[in-house]
Amino acid sequence: QVQLQESGPGLVKPSETLSLTCTVSGGSISSYYWSWIRQPPGKGLEWIGYIYYSGSTNYNPSLKSRVTISVDTSKNQFSLKLSSVTAADTAVYYCARTTVTTYIDLWGRGTLVTVSS
Amino acid sequence: SYELTQPPSVSVSPGQTARITCSGDALPKQYAYWYQQKPGQAPVLVIYKDSERPSGIPERFSGSSSGTTVTLTISGVQAEDEADYYCQSADSSGTVVFGGGTKLTVL
Repeated sequence: QVQLQESGPGLVKPSETLSLTCTVSGGSISSYYWSWIRQPPGKGLEWIGYIYYSGSTNYNPSLKSRVTISVDTSKNQFSLKLSSVTAADTAVYYCARTTVTTYIDLWGRGTLVTVSS
Repeated sequence: SYELTQPPSVSVSPGQTARITCSGDALPKQYAYWYQQKPGQAPVLVIYKDSERPSGIPERFSGSSSGTTVTLTISGVQAEDEADYYCQSADSSGTVVFGGGTKLTVL
């Protein structure tokens, strides 16, 4: 069955750019939306944004100025870049498959990213 | 910006019925979805399109909608249902929003 796996550095310095990649295995990245969602320790879920396999995007307005989500269909991957990070960006970051009606029907296991010098 | 409001916590005894509410101005026009999240795990979808149950989700989980409020109902609560529950919806532009989450405690 389709599985999602996040990868990337677990530690990022303040003011730098957080970069994560999600690899989709067991199925094609085509015909779905793909989201990034984060969860600070002990807190709730926050949607970061999603990308359609064709490249169109939609971002959380509160993060839009710092976020870029891209897709590489040849590698069955999509990626997140979050610039100018601070300690407030420390969170578990999930990649997820998103339906056309915006609900999440498949989640990655999540990866903890800590922002610290 | 669009917000969804949930109670921080709900407590119920085993075998009783738990009801978790989620309020938002756009809910009369937009579907709501519910996720269950246990400690250290990714969320799992338990209700979609207000009241539909994905395959594999027990029948004791149900959803309903009335005006600006949607409700997740868990009938005959079991100890394994203790978890955080999040509602989710979207605005007309497709921007996704999550509620703040409700911690369900099974006494």
